[in-house]
Amino acid sequence: SAVISQKPSRDICQRGTSLTIQCQVDSQVTMMFWYRQQPGQSLTLIATANQGSEATYESGFVIDKFPISRPNLTFSTLTVSNMSPEDSSIYLCSVTGESGNTIYFGEGSWLTVV
Amino acid sequence: TQLLEQSPQFLSIQEGENLTVYCNSSSVFSSLQWYRQEPGEGPVLLVTVVTGGEVKKLKRLTFQFGDARKDSSLHITAAQPGDTGLYLCAGDFGGAQKLVFGQGTRLTINP
Repeated sequence: SAVISQKPSRDICQRGTSLTIQCQVDSQVTMMFWYRQQPGQSLTLIATANQGSEATYESGFVIDKFPISRPNLTFSTLTVSNMSPEDSSIYLCSVTGESGNTIYFGEGSWLTVV
Repeated sequence: TQLLEQSPQFLSIQEGENLTVYCNSSSVFSSLQWYRQEPGEGPVLLVTVVTGGEVKKLKRLTFQFGDARKDSSLHITAAQPGDTGLYLCAGDFGGAQKLVFGQGTRLTINP
């Protein structure tokens, strides 16, 4: 299985600021995704991070609010822009395993917006 | 929009009892994953099922995938306090590895 590291693991952020979350994988992976888990809820897909091109966003998520970079096959960033308390969530990076059917998650980045 | 209905959402039982968690959809999955998540951590993959009718076992956990690939179940035998956690089913509907998650089952095993 892939080892996925996320930074920061936790942060408390001021309203109106932006924060960039990093996701580093220990091997080259084809597919990388970003999910959000709001307090007490399940996970929702934000976008697919595409290497060398713009991310593909799911309904309800836009690039201006959640810009994503993926410069290579082992690294991606997600920025949460102009944060409000409603953005307080766990943000999770995930990757597809070698089989293509198996999907692994990082430990998550816990953001609290005050 | 594909939806996954997971039930029950909350379950509290005594150590030693058996339990089953269900995951259902009206759409066909390309694959389905079961995860367990503990507080402060990301989801940890338990199993991936791909073939209709497939049964996989992981110690005291048994995972079944429905013949039509629209439903799945997780059965735990002789539950232990260490099984406590949030169990999530997640389906890949289009083969693009984009997961739709169920609401989760918060399981508590009381000593």
